[in-house]
Amino acid sequence: SYVLTQPPSVSVAPGQAARITCGGNNIGSKSVHWYQQKPGQAPVLVVYDDSDRPSGIPERFSGSNSGNTATLTISRVEAGDEADYYCQVWDSTSDHVVFGGGTKLTVL
Amino acid sequence: QLQLQESGPGLVKPSETLSLTCTVSGGSISSSSYYWGWIRQPPGKGLEWIGSIYSSGSTYSNPSLKSRVTVSVDTSKNQFSLKLSSVTAADTAVYYCARHGPGATFDPWGQGTLVTVSS
Repeated sequence: SYVLTQPPSVSVAPGQAARITCGGNNIGSKSVHWYQQKPGQAPVLVVYDDSDRPSGIPERFSGSNSGNTATLTISRVEAGDEADYYCQVWDSTSDHVVFGGGTKLTVL
Repeated sequence: QLQLQESGPGLVKPSETLSLTCTVSGGSISSSSYYWGWIRQPPGKGLEWIGSIYSSGSTYSNPSLKSRVTVSVDTSKNQFSLKLSSVTAADTAVYYCARHGPGATFDPWGQGTLVTVSS
C-alpha cells in the first residue's frame, strides 16, 4: 500500500518560514492535500491539489509537489500556526485514502 | 454552509459493534460527485481513513479494516453511517465524518466524537 512519510516535528522562529515535507513514491503524480489540526479541534483543509488554498486560508500557506516530495510552506510564521499538519492523497491504483503520519509545528 | 455532525454511543464493549451516524445539514447528501467519509484518530496519534461512500452507494474502505467496516447512506434522513464490528481497545479514537470530492479533499469535517472501547 502507498505510504506517506512526514517528519515528526518542525520548529521555527516567529516571522521565519516553515517547510513541512511529505514523501511518497512518485508523489508528484498525485494531488496532495494538507490539513492543519489544533489541539481538541477537527482538521482544517489549508492546501488542496498541491498548491491551491481554500477561501479564508491566508496566502502565507502555500504548497508544491514534485518527484518524491510534496512541501507545505508557511511564510512569516505566527504563534497561531502552531499545530499538527497532515498531508493526504487519494491512491487511485487502489481507491484508498492515505494520510501521512503528521508533523507537529512548534513556533519557538 | 454545509455542516456535519457525528452522533452515537461514547462507550462500546469489546467484541461488540461500534455504530455512528453523521447528519448533514445545509446541503443534500444526494449531491452528485461527492463522497462521504469516516476518519478516526486514536488519542495522541495521527489520522486514519476508515472508509467512504459515494452518492451512488459505492463504498471504499481501508484494507486494514475492510472486513469489519460497513458504510451506508440514508438519503431520506440526509445521513450516512459507520458500523465497525468486533471492536477492541485499539479502536478507541475520535471518529470524524467529512465530505470529499473525487480527489479526496476532505472538507468540511464534523467536530468529531470520542468512542471508547472498554468493558
